[in-house]
Amino acid sequence: AQSVTQLGSHVSVSEGALVLLRCNYSSSVPPYLFWYVQYPNQGLQLLLKYTSAATLVKGINGFEAEFKKSETSFHLTKPSAHMSDAAEYFCAVSGRNAGNMLTFGGGTRLMVKP
Amino acid sequence: DAMVIQNPRYQVTQFGKPVTLSCSQTLNHNVMYWYQQKSSQAPKLLFHYYDKDFNNEADTPDNFQSRRPNTSFCFLDIRSPGLGDAAMYLCATSRDEVGGYTFGSGTRLTVV
Repeated sequence: AQSVTQLGSHVSVSEGALVLLRCNYSSSVPPYLFWYVQYPNQGLQLLLKYTSAATLVKGINGFEAEFKKSETSFHLTKPSAHMSDAAEYFCAVSGRNAGNMLTFGGGTRLMVKP
Repeated sequence: DAMVIQNPRYQVTQFGKPVTLSCSQTLNHNVMYWYQQKSSQAPKLLFHYYDKDFNNEADTPDNFQSRRPNTSFCFLDIRSPGLGDAAMYLCATSRDEVGGYTFGSGTRLTVV
């Protein structure tokens, strides 16, 4: 079974500041890991995913995440926040075999102050 | 562009009146999912179709049903909506239940 924990249900940063959204996972098998973003009244959009190979994954909109097996973490970062980054962010995990469903963390609402 | 399309974007239904939400996809993915997302919560999987095989989550109420007449379309039927069923309903697709899912824009259901 897999699970994810997102530390901090709300994160507030100033425009231009570093964005760091934390995600820790639990999995009995090597996982796939994902970050999704959700804008108000919209579906979920895939930001990036870790499936194998490179542990530093670059995604859309300047976001990246690093898979750290020793820390069971997959934190999402962006060097400089933009007002348009304000949204809800979900970390998710799945196993690598068919039949392993995507499991979401509780979400982190990112607020960007001018 | 290949995508997942949900109709309608907003749906208002009366308490107890059956309602159907629809989802279509042009990705030719063999797996389709329905999620329920209540305010300020993570999406919760209701069920999914792997090809024609229906897979219900253990805690999905019987009030929720689904149909997949072909690869491209999937429907969510709520037989007798209650006030507690008001939520965003998200459709997603994937290939072989592995890897990232592609989500539609969702249907926000209001029950009055």
